[in-house]
Amino acid sequence: QQPVQSPQAVILREGEDAVINCSSSKALYSVHWYRQKHGEAPVFLMILLKGGEQKGHEKISASFNEKKQQSSLYLTASQLSYSGTYFCGTERGRDDKIIFGKGTRLHILP
Amino acid sequence: GAVVSQHPSWVICKSGTSVKIECRSLDFQATTMFWYRQFPKQSLMLMATSNEGSKATYEQGVEKDKFLINHASLTLSTLTVTSAHPEDSSFYICSARGTGRKYNSPLHFGNGTRLTVT
Repeated sequence: QQPVQSPQAVILREGEDAVINCSSSKALYSVHWYRQKHGEAPVFLMILLKGGEQKGHEKISASFNEKKQQSSLYLTASQLSYSGTYFCGTERGRDDKIIFGKGTRLHILP
Repeated sequence: GAVVSQHPSWVICKSGTSVKIECRSLDFQATTMFWYRQFPKQSLMLMATSNEGSKATYEQGVEKDKFLINHASLTLSTLTVTSAHPEDSSFYICSARGTGRKYNSPLHFGNGTRLTVT
């Protein structure tokens, strides 16, 4: 039931792009994306609802392929502040519990 | 807006004692709160779902008698780790969702509580 994230870790230079993937074997209602910095609480990035929406937040956007039960997070022209661990969380019904993947550690080099 | 306050931020206790962790939604009402546990460099593992005025729903493998959850109001949920043992040492994080929303809302997380049992 836990979604699968890939890759497990990414190292980029500032300005480079990254894609983080999240897939589930079950039908999903929504996918959430959060970023957590070391020693801090996760911070909400965006929610994707079923329907193939693509949402964006500055240089961070995401898509949700309802057919494949897959979501991808796109980080464009990465900044040092993007470093952290990214978690996708999946929800199978509205107001359902949210189960998180194992996370993708992103490290941005200057 | 949407601030969740969690206390204490860290606690050290002796084996066999109980520890209570509070989670408050400061500027919104939360019908549902979730309690997660996180080990170093690992994922957020859902422990239980807490609904105001009803019993919490625990995930498989989580001992309900050990991890007591109370959601007494729309702004407060507590997690009590009873008879704590060193293996209970972990980072516990609560999160909350607002009420009366038209569409799904995100989770708002507290800053977590680092529990160390000696």
